[in-house]
Amino acid sequence: GQNIDQPTEMTATEGAIVQINCTYQTSGFNGLFWYQQHAGEAPTFLSYNVLDGLEEKGRFSSFLSRSKGYSYLLLKELQMKDSASYLCAVMDSNYQLIWGAGTKLIIKP
Amino acid sequence: DTAVSQTPKYLVTQMGNDKSIKCEQNLGHDTMYWYKQDSKKFLKIMFSYNNKELIINETVPNRFSPKSPDKAHLNLHINSLELGDSAVYFCASSPPGLDTGELFFGEGSRLTVL
Repeated sequence: GQNIDQPTEMTATEGAIVQINCTYQTSGFNGLFWYQQHAGEAPTFLSYNVLDGLEEKGRFSSFLSRSKGYSYLLLKELQMKDSASYLCAVMDSNYQLIWGAGTKLIIKP
Repeated sequence: DTAVSQTPKYLVTQMGNDKSIKCEQNLGHDTMYWYKQDSKKFLKIMFSYNNKELIINETVPNRFSPKSPDKAHLNLHINSLELGDSAVYFCASSPPGLDTGELFFGEGSRLTVL
């Protein structure tokens, strides 16, 4: 079967750095995506990795290792508005997105 | 202007009723989707339409039927609602290209079946 694993919940402090991990087992791989979803709102696209390595976009960075089936989302200089769920999704060989259940990130002052 | 809009945002109804949720996108995208997000927060794809053709039809009950009058609209009709249908339903669209997983979501429609 196909599955995406990520921690259910994480807590971090405002101004700090947090790393959210995602491991996956899918039939084929055509890219890994991170989405942010605030409570009661729609998911919004954050990043896309298809090659190994780190992609940086402002305070957010996403890393991929295809050989390990592993990715992480790194959030720097945390702000209260970063409190949200972060969804990891992998596009399989049929170009279908397989979604993780999301990691709820709680930011404390 | 809202890129992907869906109505209604909230829907409370009785078991056995039939209801519809409408979705419109003004992004010019070719592909639209319906997702269901349950209480455990898993996003599960239900349908996708590309240029009015159904290209993915996951194993959802046939009580659910997508209807697309044109490529800017994808409505979801649900017959004989059941308690387990209670969830948030998200409409989404994506630009052309099979390798893009960048989805643009609507705000969601929270369906509660009593």
